[in-house]
Amino acid sequence: EVQLVESGGGLVKPGGSLRLSCAASGFTFSNTWMSWVRQAPGKGLEWVGRIISKSGGGTTDYAAPVKGRITISRDDSKNTLYLQMNSLKTEDTAVYYCAAHAVATAFGIWGQGTLVTVSS
Amino acid sequence: QSALTQEASVSGTVGQKVTLSCTGNSNNIGSYAVGWYQQISHGAPKTVMFGNSLPSGIPGRFSASKSGTTASLTISGLQPEDEADYYCSTWDFSLSALVFGGGTKLTVL
Repeated sequence: EVQLVESGGGLVKPGGSLRLSCAASGFTFSNTWMSWVRQAPGKGLEWVGRIISKSGGGTTDYAAPVKGRITISRDDSKNTLYLQMNSLKTEDTAVYYCAAHAVATAFGIWGQGTLVTVSS
Repeated sequence: QSALTQEASVSGTVGQKVTLSCTGNSNNIGSYAVGWYQQISHGAPKTVMFGNSLPSGIPGRFSASKSGTTASLTISGLQPEDEADYYCSTWDFSLSALVFGGGTKLTVL
């Protein structure tokens, strides 16, 4: 079964750090571009960043609001995507989804999401 | 303010054909394939179209098209289970970012 399962969400204080994981199964993870997308309470979807496949260069791109505070990485041996978030702000509170690209500019598969709450 | 513009709300009756639009510019929709995502009751999004392709398991009543800098998602034969929020997205090369529309709330009357 094609599946993405996120984990690692929780409550963190402003200025803190958190690492999210996304375990992939049912498809060739190593060949797949991956993104993180978030959704703040009551708001729409917001792209956070992406990492392309190692065969494509393995490069990353990040959205302006999080650039410099996050790092996306992948471990193809574990079929796992990561999102390291530092210097967290209250406005980073959201459900974070990982998504597998079907093509370079659109997603095919989504995870179920993990909630990150940044609050003192 | 979203880089892509979608209607805030659209409604239709069961069996009707409805079209949702997503307007951008030459930096995004005019240059790249567009994805369409369905989100029911703030659950996890589901892809209903990417480019002109229908993902496995998505009913054939969903289709997509693009004309210039506007993309469209058409649902032919609206069903009650189609009631959801729909988002479009694509890459924007001037922003070097993937951008979403603000979403359209589709109500099935």
